[in-house]
Amino acid sequence: DTGVSQDPRHKITKRGQNVTFRCDPISEHNRLYWYRQTLGQGPEFLTYFQNEAQLEKSRLLSDRFSAERPKGSFSTLEIQRTEQGDSAMYLCASSLAGGPSETDTQYFGPGTRLTVL
Amino acid sequence: AQKVTQAQTEISVVEKEDVTLDCVYETRDTTYYLFWYKQPPSGELVFLIRRNSFDEQNEISGRYSWNFQKSTSSFNFTITASQVVDSAVYFCALFVTDSWGKLQFGAGTQVVVTP
Repeated sequence: DTGVSQDPRHKITKRGQNVTFRCDPISEHNRLYWYRQTLGQGPEFLTYFQNEAQLEKSRLLSDRFSAERPKGSFSTLEIQRTEQGDSAMYLCASSLAGGPSETDTQYFGPGTRLTVL
Repeated sequence: AQKVTQAQTEISVVEKEDVTLDCVYETRDTTYYLFWYKQPPSGELVFLIRRNSFDEQNEISGRYSWNFQKSTSSFNFTITASQVVDSAVYFCALFVTDSWGKLQFGAGTQVVVTP
């Protein structure tokens, strides 16, 4: 059973460029999450999908950020017109759960480290 | 509002010493879940334990043990006989059942185990 995978693992870009990250969850998991982690801090929630539906977005997710999960499997996170403040580790997690209030254990991928020059 | 506080920024121990990591949480909800994750230098968050708010039994798994006390809103984690491989950042996290998928993490505690 493979875990959550993310691609790329590292991305260096210049300010103003667009970047896209991919996350492949554990195959049977119906929930997928994106978090952002800056140095010395815990991960902060960005957004969440149940199957292909995006059910919650943090106010941290500005208009420059967009996430999709088109077929309820892999997900992409795009950042447009990157800024230096976007430099962080972007973590993806997945879980398997039933109803909306049913908790679940989130399993994390290795993350994509973004550096904006 | 939900909040998780890990007051210890860094703990340094010598191998074989015990180390206890503190976690204090705040929530108004009666149903919630608490988690501990380990983040080694490679960066991947590794799930360690999940505990729901109705189960206050302490748990032991090998050299790891957890002490959950609702009266003090604490969920502390002890590593017994630490090893160099335990060196990592450890995060405590809170999940409340009306927050959909959101985990609220603490700032983490860096554990450094030296030989």
